[in-house]
Amino acid sequence: KAGVTQTPRYLIKTRGQQVTLSCSPISGHRSVSWYQQTPGQGLQFLFEYFSETQRNKGNFPGRFSGRQFSNSRSEMNVSTLELGDSALYLCASSPVGKKETQYFGPGTRLLVL
Amino acid sequence: GENVEQHPSTLSVQEGDSAVIKCTYSDSASNYFPWYKQELGKRPQLIIDIRSNVGEKKDQRIAVTLNKTAKHFSLHITETQPEDSAVYFCAATDSWGKFQFGAGTQVVVTP
Repeated sequence: KAGVTQTPRYLIKTRGQQVTLSCSPISGHRSVSWYQQTPGQGLQFLFEYFSETQRNKGNFPGRFSGRQFSNSRSEMNVSTLELGDSALYLCASSPVGKKETQYFGPGTRLLVL
Repeated sequence: GENVEQHPSTLSVQEGDSAVIKCTYSDSASNYFPWYKQELGKRPQLIIDIRSNVGEKKDQRIAVTLNKTAKHFSLHITETQPEDSAVYFCAATDSWGKFQFGAGTQVVVTP
């Protein structure tokens, strides 16, 4: 099976812009979680989607949003970008019945100038 | 919510020695504790996990121990090799599947 894929892999934006990142889970996986990874902060949980519904949410401002489509692909959107949003954004998918077992994608590295 | 603290932040060991990383968590409802290894420029990969009904789990050179009373769990790597060099993350998750990760430990194994 193909692994979790994320697009784009690298992105440069300027402050105030918005960005949309995409994640395609492993075939058959219906849960997708998103994380922000920054040096020194580790992985910060953003949100989790299952069957097109947000199941869990982390402590991020409303500028961070996401959605999941019927084919389990997920997108996250960040509006009004700030310099501090520069990070590696990772998504992870989980198989049905094993929601705790996460398989990570390669990440999207976002740089906000 | 859950809060996970991980120590040390960096760990340098001689090849062949053991490495121990410790994590503490705050939410007594947490019931699943995975460990991830992230090599430079790569994605995190699950290396071992433990559930709250088990005190210890081993897989070849790695082992994890869990002390529910004290709310801490540890990763042990024995006979370290250069390929063990990476950042290791602990995590705790509650029954809803919400993950909280530690800040990570940079392990450097010197030949």
